Amino acid sequence: DAGVIQSPRHEVTEMGQEVTLRCKPISGHDYLFWYRQTMMRGLELLIYFNNNVPIDDSGMPEDRFSAKMPNASFSTLKIQPSEPRDSAVYFCASRTGLAGGFFGPGTRLTVL
Amino acid sequence: AQSVTQPDIHITVSEGASLELRCNYSYGATPYLFWYVQSPGQGLQLLLKYFSGDTLVQGIKGFEAEFKRSQSSFNLRKPSVHWSDAAEYFCAVTPNFGNEKLTFGTGTRLTIIP
Repeated sequence: DAGVIQSPRHEVTEMGQEVTLRCKPISGHDYLFWYRQTMMRGLELLIYFNNNVPIDDSGMPEDRFSAKMPNASFSTLKIQPSEPRDSAVYFCASRTGLAGGFFGPGTRLTVL
Repeated sequence: AQSVTQPDIHITVSEGASLELRCNYSYGATPYLFWYVQSPGQGLQLLLKYFSGDTLVQGIKGFEAEFKRSQSSFNLRKPSVHWSDAAEYFCAVTPNFGNEKLTFGTGTRLTIIP
């Protein structure tokens, strides 16, 4: 298995632009999580899905953030419009059962 | 609310020396406990987890952790570190009744000196 796949690995954009981050979970995993990692706030859970249904989005910072999971093999996290304070590493993780989660390599987002 | 404390921000040990990374949690019941490792530029990798039963759990890469209910601790240990163990280590907790949210500690950066 290729593990959790995220794209792009690096994204540099200008303030106000739309950013879309992509994630392909491990096949067969029924939970998908989006995390954000910053120096100031550490690792934060943004949203998670179970069987493609959003369960808890209380960690999504603002309405500028949205996430979708149209099928079991794909999820997106969109920021529109982006702001410099959104600069962070965004991780996608997936799991089944109580395995603790397998993380992707992350997308490093820089908003200028 | 549950919380996780990793009191050591940065630890330096010599290659071949033993290692212990501290983790304390605050929660009314016994939660599910995890240790993850993050190498530079990489995602997090699960080292080990504790749900119930034997309080000493073995993980990958020669790591182990011991759950101590009386101290609300879940410290990570390795008897002899290798240069490749240099990374950031995160302790995480989630309630044991099915809550899916992992609460992470702030991490401990491990430096290995020759």
